[in-house]
Amino acid sequence: SQTIHQWPATLVQPVGSPLSLECTVEGTSNPNLYWYRQAAGRGLQLLFYSVGIGQISSEVPQNLSASRPQDRQFILSSKKLLLSDSGFYLCAWSNEGYTGELFFGEGSRLTVL
Amino acid sequence: GQQVMQIPQYQHVQEGEDFTTYCNSSTTLSNIQWYKQRPGGHPVFLIQLVKSGEVKKQKRLTFQFGEAKKNSSLHITATQTTDVGTYFCASGQKTSYDKVIFGPGTSLSVIP
Repeated sequence: SQTIHQWPATLVQPVGSPLSLECTVEGTSNPNLYWYRQAAGRGLQLLFYSVGIGQISSEVPQNLSASRPQDRQFILSSKKLLLSDSGFYLCAWSNEGYTGELFFGEGSRLTVL
Repeated sequence: GQQVMQIPQYQHVQEGEDFTTYCNSSTTLSNIQWYKQRPGGHPVFLIQLVKSGEVKKQKRLTFQFGEAKKNSSLHITATQTTDVGTYFCASGQKTSYDKVIFGPGTSLSVIP
């Protein structure tokens, strides 16, 4: 069966510090991978999505970046965090070609102070 | 780009009352999915609708896709406290099905 792991679950970072969130999927090949951000009490904002290794589509101009170094690994990074980067970050995967269902990780709650 | 809107933003109901959330788009949708997110949790897929006028049921939940494929609804009959959470609609974009956009969600509170 397929599983998705996302870490760390919680982190508190100072403004200007770097960020690295990692997501891995097991039990499937060539999945579509997604990063969403959810501000407190708000909806899901699509940040990045990837249909293959090295293929990243960015949705929102910001100081975040994403990389997909391996088929089932998706990394969200920042060189210098802003206060506005605080939020709940969710990684998700779908079957290749998107068949209609996203499977979400447990999420990473980031607080920037 | 294509956007989906949802109303209401919040809904408070007495346990046992019905609840409906609506999802609307200014453009034709290829598909619509519904997700539920419990407080503190992550979104969980409920269902997908792809055909014009499609209606699907899951126990007390009824999902509809409009004839013009521009709107959708989720109706819960006789709400229970376990229904508490935020309900999102989402759609794979017509130009790129891999790009999945979510509506802003409807937060449901159920008063026992």
